[in-house]
Amino acid sequence: KNQVEQSPQSLIILEGKNCTLQCNYTVSPFSNLRWYKQDTGRGPVSLTIMTFSENTKSNGRYTATLDADTKQSSLHITASQLSDSASYICVVSNDYKLSFGAGTTVTVRA
Amino acid sequence: NAGVTQTPKFRILKIGQSMTLQCAQDMNHNYMYWYRQDPGMGLKLIYYSVGAGITDKGEVPNGYNVSRSTTEDFPLRLELAAPSQTSVYFCASSYSRQETGQPQHFGDGTRLSIL
Repeated sequence: KNQVEQSPQSLIILEGKNCTLQCNYTVSPFSNLRWYKQDTGRGPVSLTIMTFSENTKSNGRYTATLDADTKQSSLHITASQLSDSASYICVVSNDYKLSFGAGTTVTVRA
Repeated sequence: NAGVTQTPKFRILKIGQSMTLQCAQDMNHNYMYWYRQDPGMGLKLIYYSVGAGITDKGEVPNGYNVSRSTTEDFPLRLELAAPSQTSVYFCASSYSRQETGQPQHFGDGTRLSIL
């Protein structure tokens, strides 16, 4: 069964600090992995999309890494801002179906 | 830039009532999708469309129907509302097939409660 597990379920960090979110998947075969940011009351917005050959991809203060051998990905947020408070969703594709993780809720406090 | 527009934003229905959730996109995308998002769960695909006149079932289609008469619009119909359909519904679109790495563009959702 294709599954996407995210950890932690939620976390609280102080403004200016860094944090790392984890995504483990069992989806096979692997096509691509994407991270979405979902603000409260809004739809998900794409942050990064990585294919098998990409190990790291950045979008501003967001950096995603992918280890296709261990089937793990991480999303690193640098110098967090209050606007980073959101749910972050990991999505894995096997080229005919997307599998969504349940998300990690990040709260940034001043 | 409107992107994907969903209406209504909120709705409360009684068991057995019917309603249509509206979705429109102005990006000329061929591919459109309906998802539901339940607390603590990943998004589940309800129905999708690869172009006007073509629709197909996703993971959880029971209790729903769709139509795609134009490229822009992709309404979702609930015929006999049940409490299990209480959820947040998201419409999305993409330029090409979502699984191949094209980013999806999501609307802001319709929050539906069935009482």
